[in-house]
Amino acid sequence: GQSLEQPSEVTAVEGAIVQINCTYQTSGFYGLSWYQQHDGGAPTFLSYNALDGLEETGRFSSFLSRSDSYGYLLLQELQMKDSASYFCAVRDPETGGFKTIFGAGTRLFVKA
Amino acid sequence: GAVVSQHPSWVICKSGTSVKIECRSLDFQATTMFWYRQFPKQSLMLMATSNEGSKATYEQGVEKDKFLINHASLTLSTLTVTSAHPEDSSFYICSARASGGSADTQYFGPGTRLTVL
Repeated sequence: GQSLEQPSEVTAVEGAIVQINCTYQTSGFYGLSWYQQHDGGAPTFLSYNALDGLEETGRFSSFLSRSDSYGYLLLQELQMKDSASYFCAVRDPETGGFKTIFGAGTRLFVKA
Repeated sequence: GAVVSQHPSWVICKSGTSVKIECRSLDFQATTMFWYRQFPKQSLMLMATSNEGSKATYEQGVEKDKFLINHASLTLSTLTVTSAHPEDSSFYICSARASGGSADTQYFGPGTRLTVL
């Protein structure tokens, strides 16, 4: 089967930088995605990495190392509104990438 | 960006009743929609894949007779929880992939919180 591992919780202070790691085990690979979900809300797409390296989108960056089956989401200049759950996700290779498998999520608490 | 709506946003019902949840893609056509269930502080678990004009595909362990899915048009999929029980209380989220779109981007609805008394 396919699996993803990410820390359950991370706490950081406002203005700081935080990195949320994700390791995956899949029989194939179509790329790693990151989603943000606030309590009671729907997940929103943040980023997608298909190739190795760093993708930057404003305060958020995402990194992928396919050889290490590892990626991370980097949040800079943390704001209180960044407190949310963050999910890494992969496309299920057993369905040709059709379905998405989500990690368990990392709850980020941003303190003043 | 693409918008997906869900209705209702929350519902409270008595045990034994059926509840219908609608998922609509507002500004694009979705040949495929996905239904997820999320329990508090847990991840999204795929329940089924809804395909326009054909039967839904259910994930292992999901009762197709209990969770009825209909994808009547390219913009609407419905999930009906039949004979709901308290253990069905959860957050139900749909997502849609635009026709011809890549699978790495899904557009999620705002979710429906179901509480069964």
